Amino acid sequence: AQSVTQLDSQVPVFEEAPVELRCNYSSSVSVYLFWYVQYPNQGLQLLLKYLSGSTLVKGINGFEAEFNKSQTSFHLRKPSVHISDTAEYFCAVRRGQAEKLVFGKGTKLTVNP
Amino acid sequence: EAQVTQNPRYLITVTGKKLTVTCSQNMNHEYMSWYRQDPGLGLRQIYYSMNVEVTDKGDVPEGYKVSRKEKRNFPLILESPSPNQTSLYFCATGPLDNTREQFFGPGTRLTVL
Repeated sequence: AQSVTQLDSQVPVFEEAPVELRCNYSSSVSVYLFWYVQYPNQGLQLLLKYLSGSTLVKGINGFEAEFNKSQTSFHLRKPSVHISDTAEYFCAVRRGQAEKLVFGKGTKLTVNP
Repeated sequence: EAQVTQNPRYLITVTGKKLTVTCSQNMNHEYMSWYRQDPGLGLRQIYYSMNVEVTDKGDVPEGYKVSRKEKRNFPLILESPSPNQTSLYFCATGPLDNTREQFFGPGTRLTVL
């Protein structure tokens, strides 16, 4: 079965520091990869997605992610975080043409002043 | 404005009292889905629908029912709610194209006493 592992459940960082949120997936076939963000008391919003092509994907709010097929990873990065980036981040994978989106358990990013 | 709406946003009920959470979208999407979000477990799919009158089970369908009589609506029905169904519920919709991006509603926080 397909699975998504977010290696860190909580990541505290200081404002203006860089951050990397890790995501690994298991699949033997081609996948489509997504990062969603959930701000407090809100629904999920798409940050970025990888469907094909360039392995470096840029998203909203200065985030980017790199698809690494050999390591089956799709880590999310931001070079300098703001207080407003405090949220929970979810990595998700869709395998091939299947409809199901499989989510990781989430990483809570807390940006401290 | 493209929207996914859920009602109610908050609900406290008692064990065994039937309830329905509505989901409506104005984007003419074929695909609709229900997820529940629980701390430490991420999002888990309950049911999904590829089109009108077409529904299928997700990972955690027990205790839930759905219907898709119209393209825009996808209600989630709890015939006899139990305390273990206390959760945050999200409806999501998406087109059946290669992007398969999903758009999420604002969530419904359900407490079953």
